[in-house]
Amino acid sequence: ETGVTQTPRHLVMGMTNKKSLKCEQHLGHNAMYWYKQSAKKPLELMFVYSLEERVENNSVPSRFSPECPNSSHLFLHLHTLQPEDSALYLCASSQGPGTDEKLFFGSGTQLSVL
Amino acid sequence: EDQVTQSPEALRLQEGESSSLNCSYTVSGLRGLFWYRQDPGKGPEFLFTLYSAGEEKEKERLKATLTKKESFLHITAPKPEDSATYLCAVQHPGGSYIPTFGRGTSLIVHP
Repeated sequence: ETGVTQTPRHLVMGMTNKKSLKCEQHLGHNAMYWYKQSAKKPLELMFVYSLEERVENNSVPSRFSPECPNSSHLFLHLHTLQPEDSALYLCASSQGPGTDEKLFFGSGTQLSVL
Repeated sequence: EDQVTQSPEALRLQEGESSSLNCSYTVSGLRGLFWYRQDPGKGPEFLFTLYSAGEEKEKERLKATLTKKESFLHITAPKPEDSATYLCAVQHPGGSYIPTFGRGTSLIVHP
C-alpha cells in the first residue's frame, strides 16, 4: 500500500461519543498534518507533527486531541463534538521542515455530528 | 482577511474553451506557491510548485505561472475530466512555512 491512508472514510457520531480518526503514511516522510475542510472555507490547519515537535492552531477546540506515536502514524481523538464540527478531515504528510512542503493528502474522513 | 485569494469561486467552461484561474497572495517572503487539484470525495492532489516570479510549470493542458503577487493556472482546451476544484497554497516565513490555502476554484467543463 502506498501514499497516505485514512480510516474511516465516513463517520457519524453523536455529541456524547468518543471516536478516533486514523492516518498512516507509507512515504517515509517526517511531517504529518491534520486539516479541516468545510464548505466555502479554506483548508484550516489543525495540527502539525514534524520531527516529534507539535505545532497547533490555537483556535482548535480542546475537544480535538492529536496523537503521533511515530513518524508514520497520526490520530485525531474526538470527544463531545458539536454539530459545527461536521466537515471533511484530511490528513497529509510531507518531507519535513526546511524542504519543499509539498503535501500528500489522504482521501479524508467525512464526519457528521448529530 | 484571507492571505490567499482565489478567483473566480466557480467557473463553467465548454470543452475546448481555454481560460485561467487566479491566485493572489498578500504574504511576504514567499518561499513557494503550490497548486492542487481536488476531486469530489478525495483529498487534494499536488500539481505544481512555483518558487520565484517568472517561473512557469506545465503538465498536459495545465500551465502555472507566478508573478510577485499572484499566480495563474492556465487551462488550454479543457476536457470534462479536468472538472475539479483547484486549490492554491503559499508557504512563507510568517506561517512557520506551513502551507496556507485559498478557498479554491470549482471548475466544471461541459462536453
